Amino acid sequence: EPEVTQTPSHQVTQMGQEVILRCVPISNHLYFYWYRQILGQKVEFLVSFYNNEISEKSEIFDDQFSVERPDGSNFTLKIRSTKLEDSAMYFCASSWEDTYEQYFGPGTRLTVT
Amino acid sequence: RKEVEQDPGPFNVPEGATVAFNCTYSNSASQSFFWYRQDCRKEPKLLMSVYSSGNEDGRFTAQLNRASQYISLLIRDSKLSDSATYLCVVFRDDKIIFGKGTRLHILP
Repeated sequence: EPEVTQTPSHQVTQMGQEVILRCVPISNHLYFYWYRQILGQKVEFLVSFYNNEISEKSEIFDDQFSVERPDGSNFTLKIRSTKLEDSAMYFCASSWEDTYEQYFGPGTRLTVT
Repeated sequence: RKEVEQDPGPFNVPEGATVAFNCTYSNSASQSFFWYRQDCRKEPKLLMSVYSSGNEDGRFTAQLNRASQYISLLIRDSKLSDSATYLCVVFRDDKIIFGKGTRLHILP
């Protein structure tokens, strides 16, 4: 069964450093998403991406965040200058249509020290 | 008022029992609705979509009431493996909103 994959599974970084989280969505999906979940809190939408551009973003997705689909398979989230409060689990998801069921990757746990 | 509200639980239910979860949403323009389950420290996994006509998948039944802005999930004959957090998810205008989830513990 096709699945969304994410790397790395755990990333530790120092405050102020840049990180890139990587995702490989399901191959015939057209819509891609990033979410975060701070420990013990709810899943929060960050951004959706379609046709090589951002289609929607939340208030959390400020200028320190960016997304890219550098080739036909990878979808990345870059956090430019990490803060302690960026520590969370980051999930990538993909779907065939924009309101259709989304399939999530296993997540990257980001720890900012 | 939160856009998607769920009873946080936890619900402690004996194996074999029937359990029902409710979710309310505040924006009547919401378009699509889903139930996901999330195991501890894992990713959300799609359980089922929710349609106005109601839909059933084995032991699971989901219902949508647009007039009352209410979504439900019923689990019959609960199993130990049903222990998880159940997340209500609402789509509106390209925004995806998760509820905080309801924790379910099935007791042997």
